[in-house]
This record gives sequence, C-alpha cells and structure tokens, in this order.
Amino acid sequence: ETGVTQSPTHLIKTRGQQVTLRCSSQSGHNTVSWYQQALGQGPQFIFQYYREEENGRGNFPPRFSGLQFPNYSSELNVNALELDDSALYLCASSSGQGGMEAFFGQGTRLTVV
Amino acid sequence: AQTVTQSQPEMSVQEAETVTLSCTYDTSESNYYLFWYKQPPSRQMILVIRQEAYKQQNATENRFSVNFQKAAKSFSLKISDSQLGDTAMYFCAFMKPPYNTDKLIFGTGTRLQVFP
Repeated sequence: ETGVTQSPTHLIKTRGQQVTLRCSSQSGHNTVSWYQQALGQGPQFIFQYYREEENGRGNFPPRFSGLQFPNYSSELNVNALELDDSALYLCASSSGQGGMEAFFGQGTRLTVV
Repeated sequence: AQTVTQSQPEMSVQEAETVTLSCTYDTSESNYYLFWYKQPPSRQMILVIRQEAYKQQNATENRFSVNFQKAAKSFSLKISDSQLGDTAMYFCAFMKPPYNTDKLIFGTGTRLQVFP
C-alpha cells in the first residue's frame, strides 16, 4: 500500500449539497493531484497543488475547488453537487520533480442522489 | 490536445500465458512520459511500468515489458507468465511537459481477467 490516505471511503450526498474530500500525501511529497473517475472511464485530471498553490487545472467548473495545507495534505471541495458528480475521486501525491511516479490513494466513492 | 486510446475494453488470458494490451496516443510533443497503471478491485492505482520518450530502449519490470513505437505513437504492455493477481483494470497514461504539473492523461482502460 502507498502512504496516501483518503477520507471518507464512501459518501452519499443530495443534489445541491456541498462536499469536502480529504487526502494525506505520502511522506516527503509536496504535490497533490486530484482526479475524477466516472464509472467505466479513466481518471480525469481536476487540479493539482504544489506547495500550497494551485499548479494546473483540468476542464472542471469553479465549483470544484481545493486547498493544500502546510503539511501538504489536501482537500477537494465541490459545491452545488450535480448527479453527474457521482464518481470515484482519486488523490495522487508525487515529489513534484516531474515525470516521476504518482502514488494514489484508494479513492472516495461519491454518490449524488 | 493530447489523447490516449485503449481499443480493447476487455481481455482474458489463462494463467502462465502471455497477453498484450494496446495503447495509442496523440501528441505533438517530442518528449514526454508514458505509464501503465493497474487498478485492482481495491481501487488503488498502482504503477506497473514507466517509459521516457527520449529513451529508445523499451522499459522492463520483471514480467511486465512495453513495446514503445514512438513514430507510430504506440505503447503496448506485455504481461508474461500471467498470474491470477494480475486481474485488474489497466490504464495507459501520458504526461507531457511542463513536468512540474505532473498531470496524467489516462485512457479508458482495459479490463484484464486471468483464468486458472
């Protein structure tokens, strides 16, 4: 297992609500990336945080936002939840050196009803 | 924009046999990284193998090897001596400069089933 942990593992929310997902990065890693994996699809890049600053964003609306803390753990916040937000959300930590292995957590399964 | 295509939604192989998973990609970059990740039912993505585009030699990790054809933009994964534990989703992924973004672009995956 990697040192990347995500919480919670499963979550059910109602359309229109807000949700916060958490990720603790592997020791020594200063970069955290978030991905959305819809059922039967590959992960899609949401955004990345490097040393507490957003460092790249995919094609996701502003209601997807995040934070990185001084210990390099991270949060993903999604406002005004929609049914299509139902997915597995994966967090990956890396060294920020570029091209190196990203270590993934086990994900948070979000269901929006 | 870069794209990654995996044309085999599902594959199956008997234990101890060899199987090859296909991946093609599209990019105008000359240097980049390619990866194969494995996602077992536990959902955690695990790196299988990594290839740097400027290296002509194909990467190898124990029973896993790749056939990297840069001109054809092809990056296939060969699994030799397949084991039951190899049963999983396999994703091909691409990373382009600037590398400090560490953004991975994934294909849609191939579900591999290894039968006894």
